[in-house]
Amino acid sequence: GENVEQHPSTLSVQEGDSAVIKCTYSDSASNYFPWYKQELGKGPQLIIDIRSNVGEKKDQRIAVTLNKTAKHFSLHITETQPEDSAVYFCAASGGTYKYIFGTGTRLKVLA
Amino acid sequence: ETGVTQSPTHLIKTRGQQVTLRCSSQSGHNTVSWYQQALGQGPQFIFQYYREEENGRGNFPPRFSGLQFPNYSSELNVNALELDDSALYLCASSYGTRKEETQYFGPGTRLLVL
Repeated sequence: GENVEQHPSTLSVQEGDSAVIKCTYSDSASNYFPWYKQELGKGPQLIIDIRSNVGEKKDQRIAVTLNKTAKHFSLHITETQPEDSAVYFCAASGGTYKYIFGTGTRLKVLA
Repeated sequence: ETGVTQSPTHLIKTRGQQVTLRCSSQSGHNTVSWYQQALGQGPQFIFQYYREEENGRGNFPPRFSGLQFPNYSSELNVNALELDDSALYLCASSYGTRKEETQYFGPGTRLLVL
């Protein structure tokens, strides 16, 4: 069935270092890959997304890369700050209308 | 902050009861999707509504039902509550039903079933 695997489940980095979160999807028909940040007690907030006709997208300190052949996509955060600490979810469009989410990565940025 | 709002923020029910959760879409959005997020897990798709009709459903039993109103707001109803229904319920709005449409999430309703 449709599945998205996400690694690592937890990630601790020193402030100013980079963080990388990786996801693998199973549905070859997936063509849209959003990333969400969820802070404690809040709903997921879209931080960046990528469509299947693009290999990389960057927005300031955040970038996402997509390898359709390998069915991999990754989130890269550079120059991490304490306020980047949160749970990050990757997702892949599944079927005709829904998202399939990964299991989340808890990122801790140590000051 | 998205323009998606949900009510109530928290709810406590007992097993066997029924619950109704509400969602208001972001302005201009005509599609609402509902997700269940268990503690420590990613959101799981429940169903989607478009123009007041159910447009698709995930692997949830019929006791999970929904409505969408002409103003595109939506309700999620759960009958015969079970302990495992305890979760954060999220609604997300989007413009259109294509899978490439970005979905914007509300803050969620945390349901506890005792």
